[in-house]
Amino acid sequence: DADVTQTPRNRITKTGKRIMLECSQTKGHDRMYWYRQDPGLGLRLIYYSFDVKDINKGEISDGYSVSRQAQAKFSLSLESAIPNQTALYFCATSERRRQGAIDTQYFGPGTRLTVL
Amino acid sequence: QKEVEQNSGPLSVPEGAIASLNCTYSDRGSQSFFWYRQYSGKSPELIMFIYSNGDKEDGRFTAQLNKASQYVSLLIRDSQPSDSATYLCAVRSTGDDKIIFGKGTRLHILP
Repeated sequence: DADVTQTPRNRITKTGKRIMLECSQTKGHDRMYWYRQDPGLGLRLIYYSFDVKDINKGEISDGYSVSRQAQAKFSLSLESAIPNQTALYFCATSERRRQGAIDTQYFGPGTRLTVL
Repeated sequence: QKEVEQNSGPLSVPEGAIASLNCTYSDRGSQSFFWYRQYSGKSPELIMFIYSNGDKEDGRFTAQLNKASQYVSLLIRDSQPSDSATYLCAVRSTGDDKIIFGKGTRLHILP
C-alpha cells in the first residue's frame, strides 16, 4: 500500500462549489504539507502542519483552508472553488527534524482538480 | 524572499552522455539540498540529497554542492531515455524549516 494517499485522484467541479481534498499517511511522520503545481510555476506551498495543533499558511493560502484531524490525516478545502484553482494538488509528509533522519518530503500521487 | 533558481530547459542530451543540471539558491544559511525527479503527471520522487560541500555519488547520479557559491548541481552519467523527466532542486529554508522548490528543469534524453 502507498505510504501517502490522496483522495480523490481526479475531480471536476463547478465554480462556487465547496471541495475537500484528503490526504492520509502511514509513514508516521509529524509534518504534512499541501502544494499546488501549475505548468511553469513549479510547486507552491499552500499550507503546512508540523503537528496536529500546528497549522501554518504557505505562500498561496488565500481561498483555501485546512484541517489536521489526526497525525495521519490532513485535508485541504476550497470553500468556493474558482477556475484559477484548477491545478494538480500534492500532499507531502516529512519527519520531525532529528539526527540521522533524511529531512526531505515524501509526496502523495496527486489530485487533478478542474474547476469549470 | 528566499528563492531557488533553475533553468527551465528543455535540456536535450544524447543517450549515453552526461546530463548536467544546475541550481542556485538565495538563502546562504541553508544546510539541506535535494534533487527530485518528476515524470509528467506524476508526483516528485527524491533521487539525491546532499548536506556537505563536495560531491556525493549514488549509482549514475552525482550531486555537487558549493555553499560558498550557493550552487548545487546534479550530474547523470550514461543518460538513458528513462531519465527524461523534470528535475526539481529543493532547499531547506533556515528559520521556518520549509523546503523551497525550484521550478524545475525539463530533461530530454535523445535516443
